[in-house]
Amino acid sequence: NAGVTQTPKFQVLKTGQSMTLQCAQDMNHEYMSWYRQDPGMGLRLIHYSVGAGITDQGEVPNGYNVSRSTTEDFPLRLLSAAPSQTSVYFCASRGLSGQETQYFGPGTRLLVL
Amino acid sequence: GQQVMQIPQYQHVQEGEDFTTYCNSSTTLSNIQWYKQRPGGHPVFLIQLVKSGEVKKQKRLTFQFGEAKKNSSLHITATQTTDVGTYFCAGPYNTNAGKSTFGDGTTLTVKP
Repeated sequence: NAGVTQTPKFQVLKTGQSMTLQCAQDMNHEYMSWYRQDPGMGLRLIHYSVGAGITDQGEVPNGYNVSRSTTEDFPLRLLSAAPSQTSVYFCASRGLSGQETQYFGPGTRLLVL
Repeated sequence: GQQVMQIPQYQHVQEGEDFTTYCNSSTTLSNIQWYKQRPGGHPVFLIQLVKSGEVKKQKRLTFQFGEAKKNSSLHITATQTTDVGTYFCAGPYNTNAGKSTFGDGTTLTVKP
């Protein structure tokens, strides 16, 4: 199993550009989520999904969209990048029972100029 | 709102000293998980606690879940340089569909 994979590893955007951060998992996990981590801070939940076709907002959803067309994939879209979105983005997945291990991807480092 | 508070934010120790980080929640947790993140890395799951008053050990690491299931601690005995990193607690809440809310973490540095 590859676990949770994320692409790209690094990205530089200009203000106003859009892009999609990719996340995939091969563990057949129902629950997937996106977090952002700013320097010296913890992880803040952006969006999450409890299964294909179902998504919901986390703590900091503004400026981001998600979709979950398959169990495996959970892309995060930045609609119009802003410098405040400079961060490290982590995708995570786990089974839905709430009592299972959560696995994180390696992260995408995003710089918005 | 629902929060998970973690203290201290930073801890600097001499190699061989003990280290403890504490996690406190404003609401009852169905379970709590602990993660370690090495500098430049991603969070890696360490352990999950489910039962009130539960204590689990992993070699030099001891994890405790409070009787009221609102607080938890991670204790490292005789720290080593390999213990450096940030330790996070995270807890889904009974009233949610299993969303994880993370504390801000405790960053441990170990001086050889």
